[in-house]
Amino acid sequence: SQTIHQWPATLVQPVGSPLSLECTVEGTSNPNLYWYRQAAGRGLQLLFYSVGIGQISSEVPQNLSASRPQDRQFILSSKKLLLSDSGFYLCAWIQGSYEQYFGPGTRLTVT
Amino acid sequence: QQQVKQSPQSLIVQKGGISIINCAYENTAFDYFPWYQQFPGKGPALLIAIRPDVSEKKEGRFTISFNKSAKQFSLHIMDSQPGDSATYFCAASISGTYKYIFGTGTRLKVLA
Repeated sequence: SQTIHQWPATLVQPVGSPLSLECTVEGTSNPNLYWYRQAAGRGLQLLFYSVGIGQISSEVPQNLSASRPQDRQFILSSKKLLLSDSGFYLCAWIQGSYEQYFGPGTRLTVT
Repeated sequence: QQQVKQSPQSLIVQKGGISIINCAYENTAFDYFPWYQQFPGKGPALLIAIRPDVSEKKEGRFTISFNKSAKQFSLHIMDSQPGDSATYFCAASISGTYKYIFGTGTRLKVLA
């Protein structure tokens, strides 16, 4: 069966510090991968998606970037965090069918 | 045209009652409509989904009703339980676009 992992689960970072969040999917190959951000009590904002290694599409201009160095690995990064980057970051995947599955999320607090 | 409008924003239901959440869309190219359930601090979980070739799909206490002509779909939770208290998101997708458009979410509270 397929599983999706995200780490870390929680992160507290000062403004201006770098960020690296990692997502990996097991039990599948060539999935479509997604990064979403969810502000407190709000909906899901699509940040990036990837249909293959090295292929990244950005949905919202911001100081975040994404990379896909391996087929089942998706990384979200920032060189300098802003207070507005705080939120709940969710990785998701789709393979073949329409069904999209989410990871457990990373709670990021920028102080 | 790419939006999915979800209502109500919040909903309080008595235990055993029926919870109804509605979503509306404009883009007739959407061909897949899932609902997600999210508990605090957790990732959304796929609950149930429907395609436009059927008007209703039922899984246990959860039912999706789909009205293609009105471009609306809704989630019905029968015999609502306190454990159903969560935030529910509707979504819509178009074949081959790899993207979901999510509603803004409904916070459901079921009173014991």
